[in-house]
Amino acid sequence: DVKVTQSSRYLVKRTGEKVFLECVQDMDHENMFWYRQDPGLGLRLIYFSYDVKMKEKGDIPEGYSVSREKKERFSLILESASTNQTSMYLCASSSGTSGSWTGELFFGEGSRLTVL
Amino acid sequence: GQNIDQPTEMTATEGAIVQINCTYQTSGFNGLFWYQQHAGEAPTFLSYNVLDGLEEKGRFSSFLSRSKGYSYLLLKELQMKDSASYLCAVTNYGQNFVFGPGTRLSVLP
Repeated sequence: DVKVTQSSRYLVKRTGEKVFLECVQDMDHENMFWYRQDPGLGLRLIYFSYDVKMKEKGDIPEGYSVSREKKERFSLILESASTNQTSMYLCASSSGTSGSWTGELFFGEGSRLTVL
Repeated sequence: GQNIDQPTEMTATEGAIVQINCTYQTSGFNGLFWYQQHAGEAPTFLSYNVLDGLEEKGRFSSFLSRSKGYSYLLLKELQMKDSASYLCAVTNYGQNFVFGPGTRLSVLP
């Protein structure tokens, strides 16, 4: 079974702190995604990556950056956390290469971030 | 741009049938997914449609009409454990998945 693991289930940070959210998948998937989920807004894509060292902006990239140094790991970085970044963050992965998507999304358990 | 619409909430009775609709407007459509998400948990895959028609999987079926930009998820013989949010998602020719706002289904005894 595909396993997508997020490093922290719950985090509490202060405004202005730098926050790292780590995600690791064990199925050699090419594509990895970071979403945030807020009540009434559904899942919104922050960034995605279809290869090592590649990244693409999603719908709401402002205030976030990402890093993909290894195929299995995709990190989301909040350089200076703000209260409006309080949310549930979901990492996901899928198979597929060079624009040819082949598989569904597999999600991690989520990281609930509270910024005070 | 891309726009996906679903009803916000639905209520149904245990043992009944419920249909959750999803309408979408998107460029480069490449497939439509349905996910189930229980409160506090990650979404899990339910079904995938890329061609028009009905896909059946046990108690769950999903239908797609590409010309109408319309899909529905049909849940039969509802059980209490089916109380969850149901997310419609569309993929385009890239590897991107765009999600609708989700429909929260409550199954009552």
